Amino acid sequence: GNSVTQMEGPVTLSEEAFLTINCTYTATGYPSLFWYVQYPGEGLQLLLKATKADDKGSNKGFEATYRKETTSFHLEKGSVQVSDSAVYFCALIPFSGGYNKLIFGAGTRLAVHP
Amino acid sequence: DTGVSQNPRHKITKRGQNVTFRCDPISEHNRLYWYRQTLGQGPEFLTYFQNEAQLEKSRLLSDRFSAERPKGSFSTLEIQRTEQGDSAMYLCASSPKGGDRGGEQYFGPGTRLTVT
Repeated sequence: GNSVTQMEGPVTLSEEAFLTINCTYTATGYPSLFWYVQYPGEGLQLLLKATKADDKGSNKGFEATYRKETTSFHLEKGSVQVSDSAVYFCALIPFSGGYNKLIFGAGTRLAVHP
Repeated sequence: DTGVSQNPRHKITKRGQNVTFRCDPISEHNRLYWYRQTLGQGPEFLTYFQNEAQLEKSRLLSDRFSAERPKGSFSTLEIQRTEQGDSAMYLCASSPKGGDRGGEQYFGPGTRLTVT
């Protein structure tokens, strides 16, 4: 089946530290991969995406590269800010006709301290 | 563009009661999704509409759950004879035609259901 596994949180960092949140997936075929973010009190927002192997998604200083050989899509940011504190969800859409649903990981809470 | 809206934002009900939630998608989006999120977990897919047609339902959607999208605009999710296990955040999302593989689903703030 299709599934997403991401590192457990919370991840606690000081401002300007380097961030990595690991995400691996299991899927048949070639899924599209995503990172969504949920800021406190707000709805889920798409952060970045990659739709084929070796693609790099990037947004707001965050990056993730679609690695088919390791079935991974790790999220990175070189210098985090307090405003990045949120819950981050890795997700996929399977490559199969008629499938439109997002399959999410459990989420990783990030707390950034000044 | 006011985004996806959901009402109510919070609902507390007693076990055995029926509840109904409403989702208003972004106006030009023809695709609408319902997800359920429990504490500490990621959202889980419940059902999907393209216009007014319900094209996919998860096995999570038991017989007590029903969703509609009359006229392809707003959608309602009804839970009959609620159980404590139904307590969760119910999320609605919408996307424009052709946007799904790109993951461009826009989420509402959710309705938090508490069954006592």
